[in-house]
Amino acid sequence: DIQMTQSPSTLSASVGDRVTITCRASQSISSWLAWYQQKPGKAPKLLIYQASSLETGVPSRFSGSGSGTEFTLTISSLQPDDFATYHCQQYDSYSLTFGGGTKVEIK
Amino acid sequence: QVQLQESGPGLVKPSETLSLTCTVSGGSISSNYWSWIRQPPGKGLEWIGYIYYSGSAKYNPSLKSRVAMSVDTSKNLFSLKLSSVTATDTAVYYCARGQGVATTPFQHWGHGTLVTVSS
Repeated sequence: DIQMTQSPSTLSASVGDRVTITCRASQSISSWLAWYQQKPGKAPKLLIYQASSLETGVPSRFSGSGSGTEFTLTISSLQPDDFATYHCQQYDSYSLTFGGGTKVEIK
Repeated sequence: QVQLQESGPGLVKPSETLSLTCTVSGGSISSNYWSWIRQPPGKGLEWIGYIYYSGSAKYNPSLKSRVAMSVDTSKNLFSLKLSSVTATDTAVYYCARGQGVATTPFQHWGHGTLVTVSS
């Protein structure tokens, strides 16, 4: 299986901050990476697919970059609605795997 | 807009079989791949497996010996069975659909259902 490692596991930030979350794959996954946002008690919501493509309806303050084994999710200006947990997922392999999640907390 | 709804017992005894169903509305179950994903309390997401509408399936290697999925196209639903459960199988179970291929991100999710394994 391809292992996905996210960092940090928790991030404290303020409204308006620029936030970056990293996801590393144990082997190259080309650009087959997705990012999700999850709020307590809710299902994950797809934000970005193919590393940098924004899902329809997702605000443009979210962006993704990277290829191969290292990827980042950036929130350009953190909004109150963005405090949540973020997950990455690789879909290069037929055995799909997720990162451990990054919780973005209010500082 | 496709909608997914999980259903099944919220409590299962250790060593028994967990059984869940996902009912699809707003679209046909045909011509797509349908997955189960779970999330233990306070932990990350784990893909359990997917089934194609034709019935072919692929499972997470770590769960493969205990998992079986099936599909009922006449009722527009698919199902999950996980045998010999233990407390470590306690989780919120989600059904989900991606972009029409086997390896995919997931655009559509059910609300999730908490299954607790306890005697």
